[in-house]
Amino acid sequence: GAVVSQHPSWVICKSGTSVKIECRSLDFQATTMFWYRQFPKQSLMLMATSNEGSKATYEQGVEKDKFLINHASLTLSTLTVTSAHPEDSSFYICSANRGSDEQYFGPGTRLTVT
Amino acid sequence: RKEVEQDPGPFNVPEGATVAFNCTYSNSASQSFFWYRQDCRKEPKLLMSVYSSGNEDGRFTAQLNRASQYISLLIRDSKLSDSATYLCVVRGYNNNDMRFGAGTRLTVKP
Repeated sequence: GAVVSQHPSWVICKSGTSVKIECRSLDFQATTMFWYRQFPKQSLMLMATSNEGSKATYEQGVEKDKFLINHASLTLSTLTVTSAHPEDSSFYICSANRGSDEQYFGPGTRLTVT
Repeated sequence: RKEVEQDPGPFNVPEGATVAFNCTYSNSASQSFFWYRQDCRKEPKLLMSVYSSGNEDGRFTAQLNRASQYISLLIRDSKLSDSATYLCVVRGYNNNDMRFGAGTRLTVKP
């Protein structure tokens, strides 16, 4: 069964609005979660590392004020895309480790900004 | 130069065919190597890890050549269900240091 869940699975929003995406680890605690973005026919790009109880670590080129990450509990991390624009339209995927080396990915959230 | 490079394909093969994918990586300090499978509009799922000695899992064989910074995946006796995009993934010491190739698309036809 699923190990990591995401909500919503898809969302359409108007330009200028904010969208929150949730990532949950199911039946295990994840002190660290990762947020990726994937544009069509391109590779997954790590956006940020979400750390429970502390600030997220952002990759170079990712605006921390635009992509707000909150990891308030050991099973939930949220990514908020603020003042979304059409170029933010993408597939957003989170992942977490469950004990072993393997990363488990959430099912992804497809964001379309009109 | 991209950190992880793959032939994007697409590879269109008949059922039962053998197909091989290649991947090269630029960071010689990379520690771990994986092949993931991603179906259309879905999340990536681990197919297999890749070890220097080479490893096999059923119809799938993965090879790693550290000297050439090259990884391969061989699929024998292709099934229709093998149709997907195969991602080459390279990792440093930490999970925040994973780098993904853009993927190679495979379509297996009857």
